[in-house]
Amino acid sequence: GQQVMQIPQYQHVQEGEDFTTYCNSSTTLSNIQWYKQRPGGHPVFLIQLVKSGEVKKQKRLTFQFGEAKKNSSLHITATQTTDVGTYFCAGNSGGGADGLTFGKGTHLIIQP
Amino acid sequence: DGGITQSPKYLFRKEGQNVTLSCEQNLNHDAMYWYRQDPGQGLRLIYYSQIVNDFQKGDIAEGYSVSREKKESFPLTVTSAQKNPTAFYLCASSQTGGGEKLFFGSGTQLSVL
Repeated sequence: GQQVMQIPQYQHVQEGEDFTTYCNSSTTLSNIQWYKQRPGGHPVFLIQLVKSGEVKKQKRLTFQFGEAKKNSSLHITATQTTDVGTYFCAGNSGGGADGLTFGKGTHLIIQP
Repeated sequence: DGGITQSPKYLFRKEGQNVTLSCEQNLNHDAMYWYRQDPGQGLRLIYYSQIVNDFQKGDIAEGYSVSREKKESFPLTVTSAQKNPTAFYLCASSQTGGGEKLFFGSGTQLSVL
């Protein structure tokens, strides 16, 4: 079955440093979604990427979808304490409601 | 405010007991899902439903059961057959179930006494 690998599992940064998390799928994806889960909270949708090579920005967050539509990344510039949480990618194989496979997430820990 | 409501927030299960987790949505979404979250494991799909009175097993359905008698409601029963039920359970919904974005409830933490 489809597998989505996400690295790193944990990332400690000083406030103000940049942060990147990477996702790799074993199969070609129809789209990829990113979610953020704050400590003690629930996942909240951030963005969906659909096109090969697509790049989208949300303020300090930059999302990329690879040319082969099998990998993606999320980059945060100049982290702030509000960025703390776990970032999940979710790859959609296009198979319908059960086609979304989540990565294990990257826990972002920020030291002031 | 539209959204997904899960209850209870915390639940304790005794050995041999079935427990039911509630999930209600007022987003008028067709599709609803149940995910299990364990530390370091990400989210794993238990069951999903795209239409009333119909549901399908996800990757880890053993020991769980669901019903979808109303569009708004998708309760999950953790049966005594689930030997390792301690986890954070998340209910989600989406517009049609075609792989679009998910809206999550606030979750239920289930623990075994």
